[in-house]
Amino acid sequence: EAGVAQSPRYKIIEKRQSVAFWCNPISGHATLYWYQQILGQGPKLLIQFQNNGVVDDSQLPKDRFSAERLKGVDSTLKIQPAKLEDSAVYLCASRDIKNTEAFFGQGTRLTVV
Amino acid sequence: DAKTTQPNSMESNEEEPVHLPCNHSTISGTDYIHWYRQLPSQGPEYVIHGLTSNVNNRMASLAIAEDRKSSTLILHRATLRDAAVYYCILRDLIGGGTSYGKLTFGQGTILTVHP
Repeated sequence: EAGVAQSPRYKIIEKRQSVAFWCNPISGHATLYWYQQILGQGPKLLIQFQNNGVVDDSQLPKDRFSAERLKGVDSTLKIQPAKLEDSAVYLCASRDIKNTEAFFGQGTRLTVV
Repeated sequence: DAKTTQPNSMESNEEEPVHLPCNHSTISGTDYIHWYRQLPSQGPEYVIHGLTSNVNNRMASLAIAEDRKSSTLILHRATLRDAAVYYCILRDLIGGGTSYGKLTFGQGTILTVHP
């Protein structure tokens, strides 16, 4: 079974630039999560999708972050404009609604300079 | 959301058992106890989960206190590959609670395994 795919693996941008991350979940998984993990901290949930609908985006900084999951499969997370404090690893995870186990991708490491 | 408390770090020797504790005194009746771990430079991976009874799988065992206010993840024989951050998470999988379906991570316990 293929895992959760994320790209790019690494990204370096200057502050005030824009950046987008892509996630391809495991086939058939209706639930998709985006997390932000700052160095030394646990992952923080940014947004949770069920198919192409948003279940929870209470911790998404909506003035600069946006996410979409068109057709309920792939998802993109965008930051515009980026700030220094956005430097983190962005993790995508997916889950089959019939099971409890969530599967995580390897993440995208973003450095904002 | 119901909170969990874990030690910041623990150490173990290779091939010895490891008991990782987690306190969750405000757990609700619909919260399942989950454990995930995160190896260096990897995304978290599922380890085990349970509701009331002790659970075993190929990776670990989960011992749940009778009052459910604490639990312990047991690695029976630690290996160097078990060095990771271990997260104890409460998830409402039944419904009715504010943590329904959420997967909320805390700080976790950094496990160091010595050869």
